[in-house]
Amino acid sequence: QSVLTQPPSVSGAPGQRVTISCTGSSSNIGAPYHVHWYRQLPGTAPKLLIYADTNRPSGVPDRFSGSNSGTSASLAITGLQVEDEADYYCQSYDISLSTWVFGGGTKLTVL
Amino acid sequence: QITLKESGPALVKPTQTLTLTCSFSGFSLSTNGVGVGWIRQPPGKAPEWLAMIYWNDDKRFTPSLKSRLTIARDTSKNEVVLTMINMDPVDTATYYCVHLIIKPGGNWFDPWGQGTLVTVSS
Repeated sequence: QSVLTQPPSVSGAPGQRVTISCTGSSSNIGAPYHVHWYRQLPGTAPKLLIYADTNRPSGVPDRFSGSNSGTSASLAITGLQVEDEADYYCQSYDISLSTWVFGGGTKLTVL
Repeated sequence: QITLKESGPALVKPTQTLTLTCSFSGFSLSTNGVGVGWIRQPPGKAPEWLAMIYWNDDKRFTPSLKSRLTIARDTSKNEVVLTMINMDPVDTATYYCVHLIIKPGGNWFDPWGQGTLVTVSS
């Protein structure tokens, strides 16, 4: 059971928009600690996608955006592409546990 | 460009000690505000943070595994070593070395090493 809750899977057709939620609590996202998102392609290491809630590292297209409100955060992907198929993880810090925490991950399928 | 690479045994027996080395380049662990950590990911599961060492040699561990973990740095070699004692089959996972970005309000991991799969089996 992950401290941050994500839907196990989401799907969408090419060109569509999908969102992935990340729900926490007052000891992490609501503390407030920033939320960061990682994308993991099959057989590879997770790679930073969004940092500090809304910021994209250099090289990440603006089709990817993040938001944070209260005790939850969201990742939005517009203009879905087949190559977006991957596992997506949110991450924050939990002051009660004194640990960095991850969501359980969401598998994105592009139909 | 920051890179990290893990090395260590692919197979360990139950009760044995695991020693993993992270070799990194592109930054110095002596520089103020820098951290290097370890994260593991069991097959098909989410990542789990394990340990962190900072530029000032401060160390942090996930509470559930603190009694089994040690972390140390060699700044002259640009290496960080993680040791986990009393390995169990449930510790089977890919172990990643990560560079920690430290900012007000939150820290994040970028980049990650390629990871090394460690299987615990007799």
